[in-house]
Amino acid sequence: QQQVKQSPQSLIVQKGGISIINCAYENTAFDYFPWYQQFPGKGPALLIAIRPDVSEKKEGRFTISFNKSAKQFSLHIMDSQPGDSATYFCAATYYNQGGKLIFGQGTELSVKP
Amino acid sequence: DTEVTQTPKHLVMGMTNKKSLKCEQHMGHRAMYWYKQKAKKPPELMFVYSYEKLSINESVPSRFSPECPNSSLLNLHLHALQPEDSALYLCASSQELAETQYFGPGTRLLVL
Repeated sequence: QQQVKQSPQSLIVQKGGISIINCAYENTAFDYFPWYQQFPGKGPALLIAIRPDVSEKKEGRFTISFNKSAKQFSLHIMDSQPGDSATYFCAATYYNQGGKLIFGQGTELSVKP
Repeated sequence: DTEVTQTPKHLVMGMTNKKSLKCEQHMGHRAMYWYKQKAKKPPELMFVYSYEKLSINESVPSRFSPECPNSSLLNLHLHALQPEDSALYLCASSQELAETQYFGPGTRLLVL
């Protein structure tokens, strides 16, 4: 019930391609879904976040698509660049979680030049 | 400014040592968090402080002792750690609970 399932575990994309990472959840109480980007040896950095009243949110080359009925959300990285190579974590939380973020298992993205 | 700072960047300690990790934020955030992260895994929540009071302890062993001396500072005191405690320790903060969390760069801890 509290899990967030993330796929794929790893992804290789050519420069200029589209990277797509998917997440699914069960708990319908979740109301905030952030994505974090983490480079090796660094802390996770907030990339983009969405609430369930919106079906899509775009920030630059990064887009979150949200499907409330399917309980799924995904991150699209357009025109992927080698500098995007990192691990991406989706997460979910809701107010009564007391601040606890439920993370997906992560996707290691490699963008080849 | 969404900066959370952590010191030290790296720490090597023996199993009998006592050390402390420090986290600082000056964003006026009222919630602060400690996470532990192993390689190729997501961060695991350890402790949550809200308005300087401990609100969540995720059944963390007593060899980890958190402290929130004021609204900007969060410490993690370490004592008698085990080699399996070697990990990246991350601090995060948010304006209030359940709001966007901003992570620091982490302290890479090695227990020998």
